[in-house]
Amino acid sequence: GNSVTQMEGPVTLSEEAFLTINCTYTATGYPSLFWYVQYPGEGLQLLLKATKADDKGSNKGFEATYRKETTSFHLEKGSVQVSDSAVYFCALSDRNSGYSTLTFGKGTMLLVSP
Amino acid sequence: NAGVTQTPKFQVLKTGQSMTLQCAQDMNHEYMSWYRQDPGMGLRLIHYSVGAGITDQGEVPNGYNVSRSTTEDFPLRLLSAAPSQTSVYFCASSYRALGANVLTFGAGSRLTVL
Repeated sequence: GNSVTQMEGPVTLSEEAFLTINCTYTATGYPSLFWYVQYPGEGLQLLLKATKADDKGSNKGFEATYRKETTSFHLEKGSVQVSDSAVYFCALSDRNSGYSTLTFGKGTMLLVSP
Repeated sequence: NAGVTQTPKFQVLKTGQSMTLQCAQDMNHEYMSWYRQDPGMGLRLIHYSVGAGITDQGEVPNGYNVSRSTTEDFPLRLLSAAPSQTSVYFCASSYRALGANVLTFGAGSRLTVL
């Protein structure tokens, strides 16, 4: 079956530091890949997505590139802000469920201090 | 637009009680799904639906029932609550778009079973 593995947190950074959160996946088909973000006390929001190999998703300064050869979708940001503190989830969907559902990683908490 | 609305936001049950978590969306989305979020486990799929009258099991369906009589509503029923069902529950919906489905999540329902 499908699975998503992401680095455990919490990741603790100072403001303006560089961020990388690693994500790798296992899938039987050709999945679409996503990063979702969950701010404290809220639901999940889409951060970015990529649907085919070598696609780069980007939003709010965050980027991730779909690497089929390494089955990875690492999240990066050049300069984090305190407001980026949240839990980040890597996820995939595939043809088996008609792309109707997501398989999530366990989430990585990011804490950014001033 | 309301998006995905979940009720109640908080609920405390005793072991053996039954209840229904409500989920409604006003975006005319075909796909709807329920997830539970537990510490260190990420989000796991309980049940999902690809249209009115069609439901299927996800990764952790035991102890939960669903039905989809209308496009808008997808209630999750706990017939006999157990402490292991203490969790935060999220409902999500999306339209049919091959490979690019973006799920919209509700704000969550926090359930405690004593």
